Amino acid sequence: GAVVSQHPSWVICKSGTSVKIECRSLDFQATTMFWYRQFPKQSLMLMATSNEGSKATYEQGVEKDKFLINHASLTLSTLTVTSAHPEDSSFYICSARVYGALNTEAFFGQGTRLTVV
Amino acid sequence: AQSVTQLGSHVSVSEGALVLLRCNYSSSVPPYLFWYVQYPNQGLQLLLKYTSAATLVKGINGFEAEFKKSETSFHLTKPSAHMSDAAEYFCAVSERGSTLGRLYFGRGTQLTVWP
Repeated sequence: GAVVSQHPSWVICKSGTSVKIECRSLDFQATTMFWYRQFPKQSLMLMATSNEGSKATYEQGVEKDKFLINHASLTLSTLTVTSAHPEDSSFYICSARVYGALNTEAFFGQGTRLTVV
Repeated sequence: AQSVTQLGSHVSVSEGALVLLRCNYSSSVPPYLFWYVQYPNQGLQLLLKYTSAATLVKGINGFEAEFKKSETSFHLTKPSAHMSDAAEYFCAVSERGSTLGRLYFGRGTQLTVWP
């Protein structure tokens, strides 16, 4: 159980276009999902916390108009990179917490490799 | 604010040798602590976690970690390294309460295992 799926696993897009990444909890409900960004050979940096039915909370320095997050249901959160540029190329990973549980663990998706050319 | 320091960005050991990956945290109250492993181009897999129960935590694949409050440490160990342990390891901390699940990661330690 507790599987989180991201789609797509990798995507290449042209500079100036927008890309949507999906994060789904397959076998549980997730009130809260988290989006992280990982540069090559570096750690994961939290970008935003996504709560179902409300606006996402962005970390300092993350452009909310650049990285649009929508959490429309208890099983799906999306991250849209708008007007992508080569510097947005990165590995994006989501995680999800189990709704209503005291479980301390958040489960991670397999990540999405974004390359902007 | 939470912060995590992983000493040593690269650790190399021989197969069969002890693995020790260091992690120190900075927090005013003991947080939840985690160790994750990441293989190339993949997400994160939880190895083990500390949530204020036993201070010595056993995880998957023979790994364990000990929470030492006096040293604000949560070092990861494995008695005997295996080739398949070669990967990137991340220590992470989470606050308790409403922001549960929101993780702050260390910079990671790349483990290399020599035959």
